Amino acid sequence: AQTVTQSQPEMSVQEAETVTLSCTYDTSESDYYLFWYKQPPSRQMILVIRQEAYKQQNATENRFSVNFQKAAKSFSLKISDSQLGDAAMYFCAYRSAQASGTYKYIFGTGTRLKVLA
Amino acid sequence: SQTIHQWPATLVQPVGSPLSLECTVEGTSNPNLYWYRQAAGRGLQLLFYSVGIGQISSEVPQNLSASRPQDRQFILSSKKLLLSDSGFYLCALRPGSLYNEKLFFGSGTQLSVL
Repeated sequence: AQTVTQSQPEMSVQEAETVTLSCTYDTSESDYYLFWYKQPPSRQMILVIRQEAYKQQNATENRFSVNFQKAAKSFSLKISDSQLGDAAMYFCAYRSAQASGTYKYIFGTGTRLKVLA
Repeated sequence: SQTIHQWPATLVQPVGSPLSLECTVEGTSNPNLYWYRQAAGRGLQLLFYSVGIGQISSEVPQNLSASRPQDRQFILSSKKLLLSDSGFYLCALRPGSLYNEKLFFGSGTQLSVL
């Protein structure tokens, strides 16, 4: 079974600085999707960024980028120029993309990010 | 675009009472539907998912059940709630269109079992 691990329960970053959130996963599959979701105090889950495992190029969305290391099964999220609105719980998630795979989205335990003014 | 309707936002129920949480979606056909639970300050636990009407996969053995009577309706139920059922319940969908792997979430229901 696939698992997703986020080893940092909480992180802090100074406003305008850069922070990296870690995520590792375990799978025997070769084709899958990886996601980062943000849950602000409103508790509404928001998709931040997505990565397809077959793509070598790291995904980027404005100030958010990932470092995808397939061999190491690592998928970290970098937030540049941190803003107060970035303060939230961040979840890493995995989903199989194989035809024989399931449609389950597996989430990590989350990292709470605090942004200091 | 797809919309997820989830209600109520907050629910307080006594131990041993029944539960029915309903999730309805719009803007997509044949979606995959999911129920997640988030305990206080913790991650998302997948409870059930459905790939079609009447098709339910259970991830965690417990006193909860799910049903999908219509393509765009997903219901989470319990006959007798336990204290451990307290948590934040989220309904989510994966659109039915091909090559759309994003998961969209409803606004959630905070359930307190007392």
